[in-house]
Amino acid sequence: GESVGLHLPTLSVQEGDNSIINCAYSNSASDYFIWYKQESGKGPQFIIDIRSNMDKRQGQRVTVLLNKTVKHLSLQIAATQPGDSAVYFCAEIGGTALIFGKGTTLSVSS
Amino acid sequence: DVKVTQSSRYLVKRTGEKVFLECVQDMDHENMFWYRQDPGLGLRLIYFSYDVKMKEKGDIPEGYSVSREKKERFSLILESASTNQTSMYLCASTPSRAGGVYEQYFGPGTRLTVT
Repeated sequence: GESVGLHLPTLSVQEGDNSIINCAYSNSASDYFIWYKQESGKGPQFIIDIRSNMDKRQGQRVTVLLNKTVKHLSLQIAATQPGDSAVYFCAEIGGTALIFGKGTTLSVSS
Repeated sequence: DVKVTQSSRYLVKRTGEKVFLECVQDMDHENMFWYRQDPGLGLRLIYFSYDVKMKEKGDIPEGYSVSREKKERFSLILESASTNQTSMYLCASTPSRAGGVYEQYFGPGTRLTVT
Protein backbone atom coordinates (compact mmCIF):
# COMPACT_ATOMS: atom_id res chain seq x y z
CA GLY A 1 0.00 0.00 0.00
CA GLU A 2 0.96 3.63 0.00
CA SER A 3 3.47 4.79 2.51
CA VAL A 4 5.04 8.03 3.54
CA GLY A 5 8.53 7.96 4.90
CA LEU A 6 11.25 10.28 6.07
CA HIS A 7 14.83 9.89 4.98
CA LEU A 8 16.47 10.29 8.37
CA PRO A 9 15.19 9.30 11.79
CA THR A 10 17.31 11.93 13.53
CA LEU A 11 18.84 15.29 12.67
CA SER A 12 21.14 17.32 14.90
CA VAL A 13 21.86 20.98 14.21
CA GLN A 14 23.39 23.98 15.95
CA GLU A 15 21.23 26.88 17.05
CA GLY A 16 21.02 29.42 14.25
CA ASP A 17 21.60 26.91 11.47
CA ASN A 18 18.98 26.14 8.84
CA SER A 19 17.39 22.69 9.12
CA ILE A 20 16.09 20.59 6.26
CA ILE A 21 13.87 17.61 6.97
CA ASN A 22 13.02 15.36 4.06
CA CYS A 23 10.14 13.10 3.24
CA ALA A 24 9.40 10.74 0.35
CA TYR A 25 5.86 9.73 -0.52
CA SER A 26 4.70 6.93 -2.76
CA ASN A 27 1.16 7.81 -3.84
CA SER A 28 1.38 10.03 -6.90
CA ALA A 29 -2.37 10.69 -6.60
CA SER A 30 -2.00 12.42 -3.23
CA ASP A 31 -2.96 16.06 -3.54
CA TYR A 32 -2.40 17.45 -0.08
CA PHE A 33 0.53 17.28 2.32
CA ILE A 34 1.03 18.47 5.86
CA TRP A 35 3.98 18.86 8.21
CA TYR A 36 3.39 18.31 11.92
CA LYS A 37 5.60 19.02 14.91
CA GLN A 38 5.33 16.88 18.02
CA GLU A 39 7.04 17.99 21.19
CA SER A 40 7.73 15.54 23.96
CA GLY A 41 4.57 14.58 25.83
CA LYS A 42 2.26 16.44 23.47
CA GLY A 43 0.10 15.65 20.48
CA PRO A 44 1.21 16.63 16.95
CA GLN A 45 0.68 20.25 15.97
CA PHE A 46 0.11 21.54 12.46
CA ILE A 47 3.02 23.52 11.03
CA ILE A 48 2.34 24.07 7.37
CA ASP A 49 0.55 22.44 4.46
CA ILE A 50 0.84 22.41 0.70
CA ARG A 51 -1.39 21.31 -2.12
CA SER A 52 -0.09 19.40 -5.11
CA ASN A 53 -0.67 22.34 -7.46
CA MET A 54 2.07 24.25 -5.61
CA ASP A 55 5.85 23.77 -5.49
CA LYS A 56 6.61 25.94 -2.50
CA ARG A 57 4.86 27.49 0.44
CA GLN A 58 6.30 29.71 3.11
CA GLY A 59 5.29 30.35 6.66
CA GLN A 60 7.00 31.99 9.56
CA ARG A 61 10.60 30.63 9.48
CA VAL A 62 9.37 27.50 7.70
CA THR A 63 9.19 26.63 4.03
CA VAL A 64 7.76 23.49 2.49
CA LEU A 65 8.95 22.34 -0.93
CA LEU A 66 7.14 19.78 -3.03
CA ASN A 67 8.76 17.97 -5.93
CA LYS A 68 6.09 15.88 -7.58
CA THR A 69 8.46 14.51 -10.19
CA VAL A 70 10.41 12.55 -7.60
CA LYS A 71 7.62 12.48 -5.01
CA HIS A 72 9.64 14.34 -2.43
CA LEU A 73 8.62 16.79 0.26
CA SER A 74 10.88 18.84 2.47
CA LEU A 75 10.53 21.15 5.43
CA GLN A 76 13.06 23.91 5.85
CA ILE A 77 13.39 25.70 9.18
CA ALA A 78 15.36 28.92 9.11
CA ALA A 79 17.53 30.00 12.04
CA THR A 80 16.72 26.89 14.05
CA GLN A 81 16.09 27.51 17.74
CA PRO A 82 16.19 25.18 20.76
CA GLY A 83 12.40 25.38 20.86
CA ASP A 84 12.30 23.71 17.45
CA SER A 85 13.56 20.48 19.00
CA ALA A 86 10.80 17.95 18.38
CA VAL A 87 9.71 15.09 16.16
CA TYR A 88 8.54 16.22 12.73
CA PHE A 89 6.07 14.20 10.65
CA CYS A 90 5.04 14.57 7.09
CA ALA A 91 1.61 13.33 6.11
CA GLU A 92 -0.27 12.89 2.86
CA ILE A 93 -3.92 12.55 2.08
CA GLY A 94 -4.50 8.91 1.22
CA GLY A 95 -8.12 8.55 0.35
CA THR A 96 -10.18 9.65 3.32
CA ALA A 97 -7.50 9.77 6.01
CA LEU A 98 -4.01 11.07 6.46
CA ILE A 99 -1.05 8.72 6.06
CA PHE A 100 1.80 9.66 8.36
CA GLY A 101 5.50 9.11 8.02
CA LYS A 102 7.46 7.71 10.92
CA GLY A 103 9.03 11.01 11.94
CA THR A 104 12.38 12.73 12.18
CA THR A 105 13.68 13.80 15.57
CA LEU A 106 15.30 17.24 15.35
CA SER A 107 17.77 18.09 18.10
CA VAL A 108 19.01 21.65 18.38
CA SER A 109 22.07 22.38 20.46
CA SER A 110 23.07 25.80 21.75
CA ASP B 1 -8.71 27.85 19.14
CA VAL B 2 -9.74 24.32 18.37
CA LYS B 3 -9.49 22.17 21.41
CA VAL B 4 -9.32 18.41 21.48
CA THR B 5 -9.22 16.89 24.93
CA GLN B 6 -8.61 13.34 26.06
CA SER B 7 -9.92 12.01 29.33
CA SER B 8 -6.61 10.82 30.74
CA ARG B 9 -2.95 11.61 30.12
CA TYR B 10 -1.72 8.41 31.76
CA LEU B 11 -3.56 5.17 32.36
CA VAL B 12 -2.47 1.83 33.80
CA LYS B 13 -4.72 -1.19 33.31
CA ARG B 14 -4.47 -4.92 33.84
CA THR B 15 -4.59 -7.55 31.12
CA GLY B 16 -8.18 -8.49 30.34
CA GLU B 17 -9.74 -5.26 31.59
CA LYS B 18 -12.15 -3.29 29.45
CA VAL B 19 -10.69 0.15 28.79
CA PHE B 20 -12.44 3.30 27.65
CA LEU B 21 -10.53 6.23 26.17
CA GLU B 22 -12.59 9.36 25.69
CA CYS B 23 -12.02 12.21 23.27
CA VAL B 24 -13.97 15.45 23.06
CA GLN B 25 -13.63 18.30 20.57
CA ASP B 26 -15.28 21.68 20.88
CA MET B 27 -15.33 22.91 17.28
CA ASP B 28 -18.28 21.00 15.85
CA HIS B 29 -15.99 18.93 13.63
CA GLU B 30 -17.60 16.15 11.64
CA ASN B 31 -14.56 13.89 11.46
CA MET B 32 -12.78 12.26 14.37
CA PHE B 33 -9.90 9.79 14.45
CA TRP B 34 -8.09 7.46 16.83
CA TYR B 35 -4.41 6.66 16.31
CA ARG B 36 -1.82 4.79 18.24
CA GLN B 37 1.78 5.88 18.22
CA ASP B 38 4.68 3.51 18.84
CA PRO B 39 8.43 4.04 18.56
CA GLY B 40 9.65 3.24 15.07
CA LEU B 41 6.14 2.74 13.73
CA GLY B 42 4.78 6.29 13.70
CA LEU B 43 1.06 7.00 13.87
CA ARG B 44 -1.24 4.22 12.84
CA LEU B 45 -4.95 4.75 12.29
CA ILE B 46 -7.22 2.54 14.40
CA TYR B 47 -10.71 3.86 13.61
CA PHE B 48 -12.32 7.00 12.32
CA SER B 49 -15.78 8.49 12.16
CA TYR B 50 -17.39 10.93 9.73
CA ASP B 51 -20.61 11.42 11.58
CA VAL B 52 -22.58 10.49 14.64
CA LYS B 53 -23.07 6.72 14.93
CA MET B 54 -20.81 6.21 11.93
CA LYS B 55 -17.45 4.43 12.11
CA GLU B 56 -14.87 3.12 9.71
CA LYS B 57 -11.95 0.78 10.34
CA GLY B 58 -8.48 2.14 9.94
CA ASP B 59 -5.29 0.19 9.43
CA ILE B 60 -5.20 -1.65 12.77
CA PRO B 61 -8.74 -2.07 14.18
CA GLU B 62 -8.23 -5.52 15.71
CA GLY B 63 -8.80 -5.54 19.46
CA TYR B 64 -10.52 -2.16 19.42
CA SER B 65 -13.99 -0.76 18.95
CA VAL B 66 -15.34 2.78 18.93
CA SER B 67 -18.48 4.68 19.77
CA ARG B 68 -19.75 8.00 18.54
CA GLU B 69 -23.10 8.81 20.08
CA LYS B 70 -22.59 12.58 20.02
CA LYS B 71 -20.83 14.71 17.47
CA GLU B 72 -18.29 16.09 19.90
CA ARG B 73 -17.30 12.79 21.51
CA PHE B 74 -15.47 9.79 20.10
CA SER B 75 -14.64 6.88 22.38
CA LEU B 76 -12.08 4.15 21.86
CA ILE B 77 -12.77 0.86 23.61
CA LEU B 78 -10.33 -1.93 24.30
CA GLU B 79 -12.65 -4.86 24.90
CA SER B 80 -10.02 -6.96 26.68
CA ALA B 81 -6.75 -5.12 27.13
CA SER B 82 -3.55 -6.91 26.26
CA THR B 83 0.07 -5.99 26.85
CA ASN B 84 0.63 -5.36 23.13
CA GLN B 85 -1.87 -2.52 23.39
CA THR B 86 0.51 -0.58 25.61
CA SER B 87 1.00 2.58 23.57
CA MET B 88 0.35 6.29 23.18
CA TYR B 89 -3.18 6.90 21.91
CA LEU B 90 -3.94 10.08 20.03
CA CYS B 91 -7.32 11.46 19.10
CA ALA B 92 -7.78 13.96 16.28
CA SER B 93 -10.61 15.87 14.66
CA THR B 94 -11.13 17.82 11.48
CA PRO B 95 -13.99 19.58 9.76
CA SER B 96 -15.34 18.27 6.50
CA ARG B 97 -14.58 20.47 3.53
CA ALA B 98 -15.42 20.08 -0.11
CA GLY B 99 -12.82 17.86 -1.69
CA GLY B 100 -11.89 15.81 1.32
CA VAL B 101 -10.18 15.73 4.68
CA TYR B 102 -7.74 18.38 5.70
CA GLU B 103 -5.69 19.48 8.65
CA GLN B 104 -6.20 17.37 11.74
CA TYR B 105 -6.21 18.81 15.24
CA PHE B 106 -4.75 16.47 17.83
CA GLY B 107 -5.38 15.94 21.50
CA PRO B 108 -2.49 15.66 23.98
CA GLY B 109 -2.52 11.87 23.95
CA THR B 110 -3.16 9.14 26.50
CA ARG B 111 -0.25 6.93 27.45
CA LEU B 112 -1.75 3.54 28.24
CA THR B 113 0.20 0.84 29.99
CA VAL B 114 -1.27 -2.64 30.19
CA THR B 115 0.35 -4.90 32.78
